[in-house]
Amino acid sequence: DAKTTQPPSMDCAEGRAANLPCNHSTISGNEYVYWYRQIHSQGPQYIIHGLKNNETNEMASLIITEDRKSSTLILPHATLRDTAVYYCIVRTPVLMDSSYKLIFGSGTRLLVRP
Amino acid sequence: DAGVTQSPTHLIKTRGQQVTLRCSPKSGHDTVSWYQQALGQGPQFIFQYYEEEERQRGNFPDRFSGHQFPNYSSELNVNALLLGDSALYLCASSGLGLAGASSYNEQFFGPGTRLTVL
Repeated sequence: DAKTTQPPSMDCAEGRAANLPCNHSTISGNEYVYWYRQIHSQGPQYIIHGLKNNETNEMASLIITEDRKSSTLILPHATLRDTAVYYCIVRTPVLMDSSYKLIFGSGTRLLVRP
Repeated sequence: DAGVTQSPTHLIKTRGQQVTLRCSPKSGHDTVSWYQQALGQGPQFIFQYYEEEERQRGNFPDRFSGHQFPNYSSELNVNALLLGDSALYLCASSGLGLAGASSYNEQFFGPGTRLTVL
C-alpha cells in the first residue's frame, strides 16, 4: 500500500490561501489521491479526490504533479472554520468486487489565524 | 437525512472484556467500512462490509470481527480487549454497488465511538 507524507503542522492567515503539500512517491498508476479533513471530535469529512488531472470543487483545488509523486491541496480563502487536521490519503486499487481501502497518513494540523 | 450514525458515543471497558459497536449508514448507502483512530494518529482501516460479507481487511487480528445486516447497518466486535484497543472507532458508508455515482467514490464518516479500555 502506498503511503503519504505530510508536514505535521502549518498555519496561515484568515482570508489567505492555504497550500497543504503531500508526498506519495510510491503511488501506483491506478491509485487515487484523496483529501479529507477532521475537525476536533468529529469524523473525517471528504474534501476532494483525483487521479492525475487537477481538480476543483466548491471547497478546494487539488494539484497533482505530472509524475504523480506529490500533490497540493489549496483552500483559496481560508477561514477560522478551516482549522482542522487535513489528511492526504491513497485509495487502493479497486478489486474485482468493486471494493477499495482508504490509507490515511498522519495528517497536517492546519491553524488559521485571525 | 441523518447521515452516518454510531452508537454508543463513549464506552469504558476493562481488559479481557468484549465490546460491540454499532453503525447505521447514510440513506441509500450499501457499504460500511470500519476504522480505528488512536490518539494523535490517522484512522487505520479495519475492514469493509458489502452484501453482508467482509470484502477487504486491514492489518488487524481476528479479535476484530464484524457483521452487516440486511438493512446495511453494521456491527464491530472486539474480543479480549487490550489496553491498546483504546481508540476512536469510526464507521464510514458509501455506495459500493453504485460504481460511477458520487457515493461510490466518497466515504461518509460518522462521529465515532470513543472506546476506553482500563
